Amino acid sequence: QKEVEQDPGPLSVPEGAIVSLNCTYSNSAFQYFMWYRQYSRKGPELLMYTYSSGNKEDGRFTAQVDKSSKYISLFIRDSQPSDSATYLCAIPPHTGNQFYFGTGTSLTVIP
Amino acid sequence: ETGVTQTPRHLVMGMTNKKSLKCEQHLGHNAMYWYKQSAKKPLELMFVYNFKEQTENNSVPSRFSPECPNSSHLFLHLHTLQPEDSALYLCASSTAGTDYSPLHFGNGTRLTVT
Repeated sequence: QKEVEQDPGPLSVPEGAIVSLNCTYSNSAFQYFMWYRQYSRKGPELLMYTYSSGNKEDGRFTAQVDKSSKYISLFIRDSQPSDSATYLCAIPPHTGNQFYFGTGTSLTVIP
Repeated sequence: ETGVTQTPRHLVMGMTNKKSLKCEQHLGHNAMYWYKQSAKKPLELMFVYNFKEQTENNSVPSRFSPECPNSSHLFLHLHTLQPEDSALYLCASSTAGTDYSPLHFGNGTRLTVT
């Protein structure tokens, strides 16, 4: 079983829609969870960073962690064409250097 | 100037060539990484340097050779590559010794092996 699994999409939504991006993970010891956004021809950039269960909101973005089901989500409200990118969930190691990345979900927001 | 800079942005090389990828970070971090990104696969960690010392080599073929002369610079030397090595190579940095420090990535080098 992979440490992190992510639906690769692609996902295509109209402008203004609410987007839900999701990952599952296997190790209940994981405590920190990250979302990276990667635009075409760019490197991934850190978007959201959460600890343990619960929600964290930053503008139109909300990161949610449900440790009981080992499920992490990123919600985008009022999606914009500029949100078109690939979104990667990532879990940092509690020991060592091995980050666990999802495969990324490609999102297109259509004007 | 961006935090992590990679050069070149694009590279096309034959299977018998030798080339090098360069990475420089301006964030004061002490750990640097090489990752390989291929379509529909998770990022693959290749090498890690903490305080200039290599701490991880994830069974990477010897045709890839890393070099870290100081905490700000990282190189990936390439020789006799295979077509399946074509991918986006990403450099990243972080603060080693800090719990859960996020990675900061460069924009990558798009490598094509012909």
